Amino acid sequence: DAKTTQPNSMESNEEEPVHLPCNHSTISGTDYIHWYRQLPSQGPEYVIHGLTSNVNNRMASLAIAEDRKSSTLILHRATLRDAAVYYCILRWNNDMRFGAGTRLTVKP
Amino acid sequence: EAGVVQSPRYKIIEKKQPVAFWCNPISGHNTLYWYLQNLGQGPELLIRYENEEAVDDSQLPKDRFSAERLKGVDSTLKIQPAELGDSAVYLCASSPGGQNTGELFFGEGSRLTVL
Repeated sequence: DAKTTQPNSMESNEEEPVHLPCNHSTISGTDYIHWYRQLPSQGPEYVIHGLTSNVNNRMASLAIAEDRKSSTLILHRATLRDAAVYYCILRWNNDMRFGAGTRLTVKP
Repeated sequence: EAGVVQSPRYKIIEKKQPVAFWCNPISGHNTLYWYLQNLGQGPELLIRYENEEAVDDSQLPKDRFSAERLKGVDSTLKIQPAELGDSAVYLCASSPGGQNTGELFFGEGSRLTVL
């Protein structure tokens, strides 16, 4: 069973911020929140992960709700190369199961 | 450093024929995953190895699918006999393992078409 819920698709304009939501109401205290993205005709690639605190890296930011039942991946300035399917995954130990993800379209 | 290497990239076979996919993970990565991805869907886990041990194969259709990871390094996924519904991309990924935070590194995948 999918443990996360994401919108099927979202659209953004180039150079604008994008907020990709993820609901994970059944998250346990030991689950880490991971985000991956998959560009067309490629395997998924790691974006960011977190446990309780918000996280930033060169690709994106991850905002985690205080109750940890939801999170948001933030792309600060979307580019055409950010068009991809974004997956939110709860990871316990090495168990990594993907849902359907959110297909992000970036319009020029 | 080389990434995860998969072969073949593309394979076309007729139904009922056997097929095998090979994966060479990143050196030193203890955890290896095989996923199946149908068009328009997310990857579905088939099997996960920790070193040479298959620790999660609950989603592997064992009547026709088999996998091995001899010596805990490279791995082979086999389908025998293939069915039309097996047409998909088969992805291999590896991770340092033993932690909740390590990245998964994916190969480019092997695209199977069953006619």
